[in-house]
Amino acid sequence: DAGVIQSPRHEVTEMGQEVTLRCKPISGHDYLFWYRQTMMRGLELLIYFNNNVPIDDSGMPEDRFSAKMPNASFSTLKIQPSEPRDSAVYFCASSTTDFNEKLFFGSGTQLSVL
Amino acid sequence: AQKITQTQPGMFVQEKEAVTLDCTYDTSDQSYGLFWYKQPSSGEMIFLIYQGSYDEQNATEGRYSLNFQKARKSANLVISASQLGDSAMYFCAMREGINTDKLIFGTGTRLQVFP
Repeated sequence: DAGVIQSPRHEVTEMGQEVTLRCKPISGHDYLFWYRQTMMRGLELLIYFNNNVPIDDSGMPEDRFSAKMPNASFSTLKIQPSEPRDSAVYFCASSTTDFNEKLFFGSGTQLSVL
Repeated sequence: AQKITQTQPGMFVQEKEAVTLDCTYDTSDQSYGLFWYKQPSSGEMIFLIYQGSYDEQNATEGRYSLNFQKARKSANLVISASQLGDSAMYFCAMREGINTDKLIFGTGTRLQVFP
């Protein structure tokens, strides 16, 4: 089992550019979560999907952020246009369907917006 | 209101001693799960231990145990025989069963183990 795969591991971009983060969940998992981690705000849930359908996007900070899950094995988080305050580590995680199931996390994408 | 509260921003413990990291939670659901994750300086999120709301016994996983007090809504992590490699951030999290399936994290506790 390859685990949750995120790409890229590191992304450095300039303010105003579009950024796309990618995630491949573990095969067979029904849930996919996007989190953002910063020193100031800790681990924030941005959005999560169940069976490829967005369930709760209340954590998405602004319209500049969008997430898609076109199929069970792929999801993207896009920021357009990016701003320096978007600099953070973005984690993707997946799990099976049950409240007592743990989330498996990817290695994260370290995003720096200059 | 905070769903998960970790009141200890930082803790120190001497190697081979036990340490307790505090966590309290807030939910009106009867079905929920409580999780602890470890995040070392390398950044990955490592699952440590799980406690279900209906579990009558405290969860244990090797040197980790969870002191679950349902009436007090607390789920403290106990690490026995601390090792230098235990130095990391520790996050308590809750996943509610009925209202939502999302996992909400506390602010974390940074544990430093010294020789």
